[in-house]
Amino acid sequence: DIQMTQSPSSLSASVGDRVTITCRASQDISNYLAWFQQKPGKAPKSLIYAASSLQSGVPSKFSGSGSGTDFTLTISSLQPEDFATYYCQQFKSYPLTFGGGTKVEIK
Amino acid sequence: EVQLVESGGGLVQPGGSLRLSCAASGFTFSDHYMDWVRQAPGKGLEWVGRSRNKANSYTTEYAASVNGRFTISRDASKNSLYLQMNSLRTEDTAVYYCVRIGRDYSDYWGQGTLVTVSS
Repeated sequence: DIQMTQSPSSLSASVGDRVTITCRASQDISNYLAWFQQKPGKAPKSLIYAASSLQSGVPSKFSGSGSGTDFTLTISSLQPEDFATYYCQQFKSYPLTFGGGTKVEIK
Repeated sequence: EVQLVESGGGLVQPGGSLRLSCAASGFTFSDHYMDWVRQAPGKGLEWVGRSRNKANSYTTEYAASVNGRFTISRDASKNSLYLQMNSLRTEDTAVYYCVRIGRDYSDYWGQGTLVTVSS
């Protein structure tokens, strides 16, 4: 199975900060990676697919990059509605696996 | 508008069975792969399994943790996806999400249904 490791597991940031979250795969997954945002008590929301493509309706302050084993999700200017937990998921091979999540909290 | 509405969750005893349903609307259901993903209380996301589309004969894949106990099926006439869960364990307690796959990746999620396995 492909292991997905996110870092950090949590972070504190201020409104307006630039935030970067990292996801590392245990083997080469090319660009078969997606990112999701989840707020407390809500279903996850799809943000990015194919490592760097924005889902329809997702604001451009979110961006993704990477290929192979190392990936990043960047939020260019953190806003109050962005405080949430973020997950990556690989779509390269079964079983599809998620990272452990990164909780973004208000400083 | 794409909508996915899960139902069928509830309290069940260990060793029992439950069937979850996901009613899909707003898109051509048979064209899309569909996944089930779960989340135990206070934990992260776990992929449960997949139903491929009609063109791929609705074949399925499962996580090792549920293989042999859970079965994914569809009723195309009802635009519905199902998760039959047998031999339930306490560790299967979770919110179960129905997820549409578009362009090879998850794009739409249902609101989830809670399954509690407890005596």
